[in-house]
Parts: sequence; C-alpha cells; structure tokens
Amino acid sequence: QVQLQESGPGLVKPSETLSLTCTVSGDSIRPYYWSWIRQTPGKGLEWIGYIFYSGSTNYNPSLTSRVTISVDTSKNQFSLKVTSVTAADTALYYCARKSHSSGAFDIWGQGTMVTVSS
Amino acid sequence: DIQMTQSPSSLSASVGDRVTITCRASQGIGNYLAWFQQKPGKAPKLLIYAASSLQGGVPSKFSGSGSGTDFSLTISSLQPEDIATYYCQHYNSYPITFGQGTRLEIK
Repeated sequence: QVQLQESGPGLVKPSETLSLTCTVSGDSIRPYYWSWIRQTPGKGLEWIGYIFYSGSTNYNPSLTSRVTISVDTSKNQFSLKVTSVTAADTALYYCARKSHSSGAFDIWGQGTMVTVSS
Repeated sequence: DIQMTQSPSSLSASVGDRVTITCRASQGIGNYLAWFQQKPGKAPKLLIYAASSLQGGVPSKFSGSGSGTDFSLTISSLQPEDIATYYCQHYNSYPITFGQGTRLEIK
C-alpha cells in the first residue's frame, strides 16, 4: 500500500532553514497533489502548502514568503523548505496525499518533530 | 481564510452512547468537508469526506452530515477504541483550514 515517510533534521537553529523530505513508496508520485501540514499544541493543524507532480504549487498566505515546496519525480520525493525559522516553527510536520476521488487527505506520513532552538 | 469552529472542545461519554460533534464554517463551503480521527502519537486518519461519504475501511458507526456552513460527525455507539481527538477540515478553497479539534473521552 502507499506509504509516506518524512525525513530531515529534528533540530534547527533560529534564523536558519528547515528542510524536510517526504518519500512516497507503493505508488508513483504522479499524478497527485502532495501537501505539507504541521501541528502544534497552540495552533493545531496548519496546512503549509501543496505541490502537484508537475511542479505547480500553492502556499498558505501566512507562510508563503518563507516556504518552498519542490518535487523530484525521479526519486518519488517532495520536499519542504522554511527559511528564517523561529520558535513558532517548532512543530510536528506531516506530509500527506490528496486523493483523486475524494479530494481529501487520504494518506499521511507518520510525522516528524522539528524543534527550533539554539 | 475560512475559519472552522468545532464544538464541543472536549466531550466525555459512556460506552454505547451516541456521540455528535459539530463543525461550523465561517462561510459556505458546499460539501467540501472532511473529518479526521487522531489518536495519540499517530497521524490523523480520514474518516469522512465530502461531508457524508465514508472513507474505505472506516466502520459504519461513523457518519457525517451537513452542507454549507454547518456539519456534524456522529458515532452511533461509542467504544473504547474511539477515544481520540476529532478534527474537521474544509477543502473548498485555499488556504485549507482545520477545526481546533474535539477531544473525546470515556466517562
């Protein structure tokens, strides 16, 4: 079955760049929409943005100036970069797939915790 | 942004009870509404999409209803394995937003 796995550093220093990768297994990354979502105790679940396998993107306006999502179809991976991080970016980060048929997030990774601290 | 407001924030009920959680959107979203269940240490799991359609493999004791701005999720007979936090989420437009969650406990 389709599985998603997030990977990347668990600790990032303030003002630096957070970088995460989501590896898709069990299916092709084409032709789906892939999202990053984060979760904090204070703000709950926050959609960060999506990328289509073709490379088109859409970001949450609250983060758009600091976020880049990219895709590598040859590796069946997509990635997230958040620049100029602060403690407010400390969160559990999930990658998720948007279903063709339902339009909802039907497959999620297990999540990876990222802490912003010096 | 469309705001999603769930109520109650927490709910304590007995095994066998019928439980209903509500979700209100700050503007009309048609039926572009999903419900998720999240257990501690796990990712959210899709239960309901398009407001009332049951995701494959999800028990039929879960049901959803509503359209426009008012939605609900019902568990017909609460069981211990249903203890979790439940979230609604709209996907009518971008940015996608989630409700703040409803924590369900056994009385």
